[in-house]
Amino acid sequence: KNQVEQSPQSLIILEGKNCTLQCNYTVSPFSNLRWYKQDTGRGPVSLTIMTFSENTKSNGRYTATLDADTKQSSLHITASQLSDSASYICVVSANNFNKFYFGSGTKLNVKP
Amino acid sequence: NAGVTQTPKFRILKIGQSMTLQCTQDMNHNYMYWYRQDPGMGLKLIYYSVGAGITDKGEVPNGYNVSRSTTEDFPLRLELAAPSQTSVYFCASSLNGNEQFFGPGTRLTVL
Repeated sequence: KNQVEQSPQSLIILEGKNCTLQCNYTVSPFSNLRWYKQDTGRGPVSLTIMTFSENTKSNGRYTATLDADTKQSSLHITASQLSDSASYICVVSANNFNKFYFGSGTKLNVKP
Repeated sequence: NAGVTQTPKFRILKIGQSMTLQCTQDMNHNYMYWYRQDPGMGLKLIYYSVGAGITDKGEVPNGYNVSRSTTEDFPLRLELAAPSQTSVYFCASSLNGNEQFFGPGTRLTVL
């Protein structure tokens, strides 16, 4: 069964600290993996997109990694800011472009 | 570009009522999608369209209908609202089936 599991479900960190969010998937055949940021009451916004051949991709303070062998991805946030408080969603796409598998997200709360 | 816009932002319906959730994109994207997001859950695909005049069912299509008469618009119709349809609805579009751009969402409550 194609699934995307994210951990932790929620996370609280202090401003300025780093954190890492995890995503494990069983989607096959794999096409690409995206990380989205969803602010409360808003639609998801893309942070990174990675294909099978990419191990790491950065977007400012966000760095995503992908291990296609173990089917794991992580999103590392460096020097967190209050504006990083949001849900972070991992989405895996199968080779069929209409098949997107969404994780349930990690809710990050950055406190001052 | 306004991107993907959705109306209304909020709506309360009584059981059995009908309504249409509007979605418009101005990016000339071929692919459009409707998702619902229940509290604490991932997004689930309701319907999608690969171009004007073409629609297909997603994971949870029961109780919904869509149409795609133009590239820009992809309305979602609820014919007989039920409490189980209480959710946040997101419309998304994509140029080539890869990266999706999401609208701000419509929060629907059915009482």
